[in-house]
Amino acid sequence: DQQVKQNSPSLSVQEGRISILNCDYTNSMFDYFLWYKKYPAEGPTFLISISSIKDKNEDGRFTVFLNKSAKHLSLHIVPSQPGDSAVYFCAAGWGTSGSRLTFGEGTQLTVNP
Amino acid sequence: DGGITQSPKYLFRKEGQNVTLSCEQNLNHDAMYWYRQDPGQGLRLIYYSQIVNDFQKGDIAEGYSVSREKKESFPLTVTSAQKNPTAFYLCASSTLQGAANVLTFGAGSRLTVL
Repeated sequence: DQQVKQNSPSLSVQEGRISILNCDYTNSMFDYFLWYKKYPAEGPTFLISISSIKDKNEDGRFTVFLNKSAKHLSLHIVPSQPGDSAVYFCAAGWGTSGSRLTFGEGTQLTVNP
Repeated sequence: DGGITQSPKYLFRKEGQNVTLSCEQNLNHDAMYWYRQDPGQGLRLIYYSQIVNDFQKGDIAEGYSVSREKKESFPLTVTSAQKNPTAFYLCASSTLQGAANVLTFGAGSRLTVL
């Protein structure tokens, strides 16, 4: 049972344009969501999170939107830069410290100069 | 610098052998995790530990074992019972940031079974 899904395995955008990465979930118990970025042969690095009580969170070029009724979240990157080319994972969790995260399959973003 | 150290970075194993992957953290985090990454399948949870001397199975624990004798260390043993052990293994530890349990990952260990 895939509780967190990223339906697009890859996305290609031009430098300077907006990148939109999407994620769907099925478990209503999730009360926070995170996005991670991963380069090949490295561990994922945390980008941004959002609590289920919010619908938007911004951090510089990165904005995460949450639509609870649709069980959908998205990550917007504006403007996209070639260094943003990586695999992006969304993750979801509930509970307090030490609780587990469930990850999506990942989306490979390529930003072309 | 605080962080998570995984070793070895690359490991080759013959079929039938057990291998142990090391994970050490100096972040003073209570919780630690092991995930496995396979192409097109994202990160799948093997085991996690919320406190010393306690750990729970994740979604794919069969063929793996762990121990948590010290707060800083969470080694993973891949046993001969694991049918498809070739993968990229990621260790993580976590702390609360606001309402979110944010995981910090190590650089990973790639295991190849020959």
